[in-house]
Amino acid sequence: AQSVAQPEDQVNVAEGNPLTVKCTYSVSGNPYLFWYVQYPNRGLQFLLKYITGDNLVKGSYGFEAEFNKSQTSFHLKKPSALVSDSALYFCAVRDGPTDSWGKLQFGAGTQVVVTP
Amino acid sequence: GAVVSQHPSRVICKSGTSVKIECRSLDFQATTMFWYRQFPKKSLMLMATSNEGSKATYEQGVEKDKFLINHASLTLSTLTVTSAHPEDSSFYICSASLSGGDNEQFFGPGTRLTVL
Repeated sequence: AQSVAQPEDQVNVAEGNPLTVKCTYSVSGNPYLFWYVQYPNRGLQFLLKYITGDNLVKGSYGFEAEFNKSQTSFHLKKPSALVSDSALYFCAVRDGPTDSWGKLQFGAGTQVVVTP
Repeated sequence: GAVVSQHPSRVICKSGTSVKIECRSLDFQATTMFWYRQFPKKSLMLMATSNEGSKATYEQGVEKDKFLINHASLTLSTLTVTSAHPEDSSFYICSASLSGGDNEQFFGPGTRLTVL
């Protein structure tokens, strides 16, 4: 079984400062890891994913995430936050190629608030 | 590419009536579609996994007779909420998975259901 933990319900950051949203995971096999962002009353927008290869993954809108196998973490980062980054962020994990349907387990979500 | 649409985006219905929500993959064929339910500022709860041409697989605790899922083609899945009640009011999101590849999910914009 897979699980995802996002330990922070909300992250507050001033515009221009670095933004980090934490995610840890647990899977029995090889993890496929994803970050999505959701704006109010909208569906999920894909930001980035880690399947294999380089541990540092670069994604949309200047976001990046680092896969850390020893710490079972996949924290989302942005060097300089914008007010428009204020949204709900979800980390998700899939148990690699063993799950043929590709079912995702989502974290509880982290609300990011960027103040001007 | 990889666009998923949902219709309607919002629906209001009376208690006891049935509501159908459509999920379409616009520019790709999706062998698998997923239906999620999301409560305000909460994570996505997987309701069922739908494979084209076969019966949907429901998650534990989801009533299959209440939430009817049909996946009649590689580009269309429907969710029918039967005999809707106010507690069924929620945000319903579908996603579609590409045939083959690493089964990445692409999400629809969501449908806001309000049952009076």
